[in-house]
Amino acid sequence: KAGVTQTPRYLIKTRGQQVTLSCSPISGHRSVSWYQQTPGQGLQFLFEYFSETQRNKGNFPGRFSGRQFSNSRSEMNVSTLELGDSALYLCASSLNTLFLNTGELFFGEGSRLTVL
Amino acid sequence: AQSVTQLDSQVPVFEEAPVELRCNYSSSVSVYLFWYVQYPNQGLQLLLKYLSGSTLVKGINGFEAEFNKSQTSFHLRKPSVHISDTAEYFCAVSEKGSQGNLIFGKGTKLSVKP
Repeated sequence: KAGVTQTPRYLIKTRGQQVTLSCSPISGHRSVSWYQQTPGQGLQFLFEYFSETQRNKGNFPGRFSGRQFSNSRSEMNVSTLELGDSALYLCASSLNTLFLNTGELFFGEGSRLTVL
Repeated sequence: AQSVTQLDSQVPVFEEAPVELRCNYSSSVSVYLFWYVQYPNQGLQLLLKYLSGSTLVKGINGFEAEFNKSQTSFHLRKPSVHISDTAEYFCAVSEKGSQGNLIFGKGTKLSVKP
């Protein structure tokens, strides 16, 4: 069974640009959640999508957005990039929405974004 | 608001020695507790979880953790570590009845030396 796939794995952008990251969940999983991982702040929850609807959102500015398609694949977008957006962005999938889930998230290997 | 504190940012140990990685949480309601492991250049993998019942939870790779409600702790232990256990370990909490998103600690880097 294929795991969670994130693309691209590495990317470099400059300040002011925008970026789109993609996540394909495990087959049959309907929930996709996104986390930002940085050395200073650790893992911070961005948002969760379930059945194409955003179910929950973390404390991030509106520059961070996402969506989910009917096949459960998800994308997240960051507009007007800032230096502080440099991070590893992790996607995790689960069978049910986090509200019904009991914490077993399956993570991808992440997309490492560097903003210059 | 819930929070998780991992008391040690780095823990160096020798191979075959026991190890304990400490985790304390803060929450006003009942919680679910988890330990995840992240190997270099990989995503996170669930080691074990406490949902209810027995406070001693066994996970993969010989790890176990004990939930202590009075001390609001969920420490991770392994009686004998291997070089391959070198990784970063994250404690996480989810409040029962909440939206369910996990709040992670800042991680503990376990370094196992030969």
